[in-house]
Amino acid sequence: DAGVTQSPTHLIKTRGQQVTLRCSPKSGHDTVSWYQQALGQGPQFIFQYYEEEERQRGNFPDRFSGHQFPNYSSELNVNALLLGDSALYLCASSSKQGMQETQYFGPGTRLLVL
Amino acid sequence: AQSVTQLGSHVSVSEGALVLLRCNYSSSVPPYLFWYVQYPNQGLQLLLKYTTGATLVKGINGFEAEFKKSETSFHLTKPSAHMSDAAEYFCAVIPYNTDKLIFGTGTRLQVFP
Repeated sequence: DAGVTQSPTHLIKTRGQQVTLRCSPKSGHDTVSWYQQALGQGPQFIFQYYEEEERQRGNFPDRFSGHQFPNYSSELNVNALLLGDSALYLCASSSKQGMQETQYFGPGTRLLVL
Repeated sequence: AQSVTQLGSHVSVSEGALVLLRCNYSSSVPPYLFWYVQYPNQGLQLLLKYTTGATLVKGINGFEAEFKKSETSFHLTKPSAHMSDAAEYFCAVIPYNTDKLIFGTGTRLQVFP
């Protein structure tokens, strides 16, 4: 049973560029949440997708957007990259949105913005 | 707003010693509570969770945590530390009526031989 997978594992971009990160949820899960973990910090909630719609959002600017596909996989897009966007981006999957189910995390994508 | 406080950004113990990692939450309504572990250059792995029911929760790798509503605490313990326990530990809550995890700032556990 495959767990949560994310791609790519590492990414280097320059300021002003755009980036797309991808996530495949654990088998049987239909909800995907994205988190940003800056160096030395705890993860911060970006947003959550269920039934192909953004259901909840944290305190992140509109430069951060996402998408969920019919197979429940998800993408996180970040436009106009800033140096401060350098972080580990974690995807977590769960089932039954709104039921506070346990979230299972992928290994993350480490983004470096130069 | 809901928050989580982890006391002590670094904890060092000797192998075989008791591990105690502290976590306090702020909420008028008891949230769902979690402990996650993060090994270097990896994602987060769930250690244990409290939702309802028994206040002493047992997790993987010999860890357990006790929910104390009167103290708004959810401290993580392990009777005997192993070298392999060295990692970053995060306490997290899911507030009532939401699905977003709110994490503490983490505690780095070092285990010395």
